[in-house]
Amino acid sequence: AQSVTQLGSHVSVSEGALVLLRCNYSSSVPPYLFWYVQYPNQGLQLLLKYTSAATLVKGINGFEAEFKKSETSFHLTKPSAHMSDAAEYFCAAAGNNNDMRFGAGTRLTVKP
Amino acid sequence: NAGVMQNPRHLVRRRGQEARLRCSPMKGHSHVYWYRQLPEEGLKFMVYLQKENIIDESGMPKERFSAEFPKEGPSILRIQQVVRGDSAAYFCASSPPTDGYTFGSGTRLTVV
Repeated sequence: AQSVTQLGSHVSVSEGALVLLRCNYSSSVPPYLFWYVQYPNQGLQLLLKYTSAATLVKGINGFEAEFKKSETSFHLTKPSAHMSDAAEYFCAAAGNNNDMRFGAGTRLTVKP
Repeated sequence: NAGVMQNPRHLVRRRGQEARLRCSPMKGHSHVYWYRQLPEEGLKFMVYLQKENIIDESGMPKERFSAEFPKEGPSILRIQQVVRGDSAAYFCASSPPTDGYTFGSGTRLTVV
């Protein structure tokens, strides 16, 4: 099974500032990688996914993530944070056996 | 095409009672996954099922917890003799292989 590490359980940024949420995976074979967002008292919504077609993946709500094999990373970024981006973000990885594992999550706070 | 349907959304049980959580996957999805989210924690994998088969139950507690995905009807996560520590949000997801999961809105179990 894949292992996913999210650095920083809490990230706080000012509105309009860059958002950077870090994710590293452990695998000798590049897995399928995903970012999900969870708003309070809701389920998880898929933001974007990497499936080896392109290393820079664009998702919904202005988010994007770059797959870097040399760093085994898949960090999530957004150029300008909006108040509505405040949520919990989960990085996940799956192998060919369809076995997905999630990171512990990063709670994003956006300050006015 | 309805998404992943979970019911009930909220469930309150007294210690020692049984909890049954239901999950209907998206139409055409034959893989179902159950995850548990404890307060202030990430998602923990519990079990992966296909129709009439448990594929991976490595995340299931050895006692009191069971899951099934019958040929007809929803997937059921069953918790017998609930204890306060079982209080959590339980999420179901479904997918075709390696395409990213679609999550339900979860069932929030409270044990009193």
